[in-house]
Amino acid sequence: DQQVKQNSPSLSVQEGRISILNCDYTNSMFDYFLWYKKYPAEGPTFLISISSIKDKNEDGRFTVFLNKSAKHLSLHIVPSQPGDSAVYFCAASAWAGNQFYFGTGTSLTVIP
Amino acid sequence: EAGVAQSPRYKIIEKRQSVAFWCNPISGHATLYWYQQILGQGPKLLIQFQNNGVVDDSQLPKDRFSAERLKGVDSTLKIQPAKLEDSAVYLCASSLDRVGHNEQFFGPGTRLTVL
Repeated sequence: DQQVKQNSPSLSVQEGRISILNCDYTNSMFDYFLWYKKYPAEGPTFLISISSIKDKNEDGRFTVFLNKSAKHLSLHIVPSQPGDSAVYFCAASAWAGNQFYFGTGTSLTVIP
Repeated sequence: EAGVAQSPRYKIIEKRQSVAFWCNPISGHATLYWYQQILGQGPKLLIQFQNNGVVDDSQLPKDRFSAERLKGVDSTLKIQPAKLEDSAVYLCASSLDRVGHNEQFFGPGTRLTVL
């Protein structure tokens, strides 16, 4: 049972434009959400997070939006750069236990 | 600060053979996780340790998989005997603690191919 879903396996964007990656979840107990970035042959690295008490969190070119009623979050990258080309995983957890549930990932390609 | 170390990086074995993976977490991190990532899927938690005790191993196939974290530092994950469907990347991660929202730091993973 996939509790975190990323329905777009891939996305291509021109350099300088906005990249929008989407994620949906089913478990209403999730209250913390993260995005991880993964390059080939490396482990995932933490990118940005958001708590359920917020609906937006920004860090430089990266912004995560959370819509709790829709159980949906999105990652915006503006402007997109070729170095952003990677697989992006959405993950969610509940307060107790710190177990993360990961989506299947979206492969982003930023075209120079 | 050194990151999470894993070895080997790659392993190819035949089905029914045994294999072991090693992980050294970030110094001072109490919680250690082993994930299995099958091609095209997200990482799936296999087992979670808090110091040297098991917190959650509900998704570990215990008939063939085992893991230990002696002395609460390094950890090994073993598969015995391996099946074709065990082909995956095995990721180790660590965090400061398990309660609350502690960032997990991942190692580079071990890519296992079972022939």
